[in-house]
Amino acid sequence: DAKTTQPPSMDCAEGRAANLPCNHSTISGNEYVYWYRQIHSQGPQYIIHGLKNNETNEMASLIITEDRKSSTLILPHATLRDTAVYYCIVRVVEYGNKLVFGAGTILRVKS
Amino acid sequence: EAGVAQSPRYKIIEKRQSVAFWCNPISGHATLYWYQQILGQGPKLLIQFQNNGVVDDSQLPKDRFSAERLKGVDSTLKIQPAKLEDSAVYLCASSEGGRIEAFFGQGTRLTVV
Repeated sequence: DAKTTQPPSMDCAEGRAANLPCNHSTISGNEYVYWYRQIHSQGPQYIIHGLKNNETNEMASLIITEDRKSSTLILPHATLRDTAVYYCIVRVVEYGNKLVFGAGTILRVKS
Repeated sequence: EAGVAQSPRYKIIEKRQSVAFWCNPISGHATLYWYQQILGQGPKLLIQFQNNGVVDDSQLPKDRFSAERLKGVDSTLKIQPAKLEDSAVYLCASSEGGRIEAFFGQGTRLTVV
């Protein structure tokens, strides 16, 4: 699985968009980009995933660059409850493939 | 749907004692994962099952850790004997075969004193 690089921490004002970057310069053509988040004292929670097109769901948007070497997770209107550790993961979607976490980005949403 | 169930929620043991954690995945999920999360770090994959077969256990300290998945459903993770550095949260997750998202339990917080 390709390695990802994320900033260790970021701050965001409540109500503003939170843009979390992720570099994955060694990503392979069949590897997807996943985002999970982990709120304090809970297990990680799936947010969104994508291959090469931008994706949006009720939680967030995922923007993947054309060369696929980096991506950005966007929380359009961050709330205090979005304070969490956000993990960017790249993996091949195969039956039984591993899900490997890095250190992630601590996002602090402040009022 | 019911989520991934783990028990106990907390456990405190002395070093050299043994401990076991239990996980009940979401019904029908073929893939089951056990992770160890030390404070301040991301979850580290210990073992991954596909039904009752082991897909990957390369990070499992096999001299003291063991895991099994009975009949491809519930799973137990055991540590014997425990060391101080085993203090961590142990997370269980499951996913449908071929589906993308994994669902996590709340974890078991182990403190070894």
